[in-house]
Amino acid sequence: KAGVTQTPRYLIKTRGQQVTLSCSPISGHRSVSWYQQTPGQGLQFLFEYFSETQRNKGNFPGRFSGRQFSNSRSEMNVSTLELGDSALYLCASSLHVVRGSYEQYFGPGTRLTVT
Amino acid sequence: DQQVKQNSPSLSVQEGRISILNCDYTNSMFDYFLWYKKYPAEGPTFLISISSIKDKNEDGRFTVFLNKSAKHLSLHIVPSQPGDSAVYFCAASGLGTSYGKLTFGQGTILTVHP
Repeated sequence: KAGVTQTPRYLIKTRGQQVTLSCSPISGHRSVSWYQQTPGQGLQFLFEYFSETQRNKGNFPGRFSGRQFSNSRSEMNVSTLELGDSALYLCASSLHVVRGSYEQYFGPGTRLTVT
Repeated sequence: DQQVKQNSPSLSVQEGRISILNCDYTNSMFDYFLWYKKYPAEGPTFLISISSIKDKNEDGRFTVFLNKSAKHLSLHIVPSQPGDSAVYFCAASGLGTSYGKLTFGQGTILTVHP
């Protein structure tokens, strides 16, 4: 079974631009979560989608948004990029959809650099 | 407010010996705990998990111990191999927490010397 895939793997953007990152979950997984990893803050939860609905959101500004499609694929968007948005963005999928999360399986991440 | 803490930024171990990675948590609502391994430029790889109804779970060379009263868990790797060198994260979730959210510690860099 194929793992979680993320595209693109690397991205360089300029301050003020916007970016869209894509995630395809493991086949059969309907819950998709997004995380931001930075050296200073570690792995921080962004949001979770299930059945095309955002069920949970972390403590990030409204510039960070996402969506999920009927095939469970997900995208996240960051508008008006800031230097501090430079990070590794990770997508994770899970078979479990009840509260408590349980095992999540991560993609390789998208390395975003904002200049 | 760091609810999951890994107080040792790094650990160095000789090949064949035991590696013990530690993790503490503060949120009493956490009832499911996971360990992930991460290589540079890759996403975290799930290793092993444990529910709060257990105090030990084994999978091959990996064993996780949970001490609920101390809010402490540890990952034992026996025997350690050079390929185990990576960053190890503990993570927590629970029925009382929100959907799809794992709370991670800051990670411990494990180096296994041949």
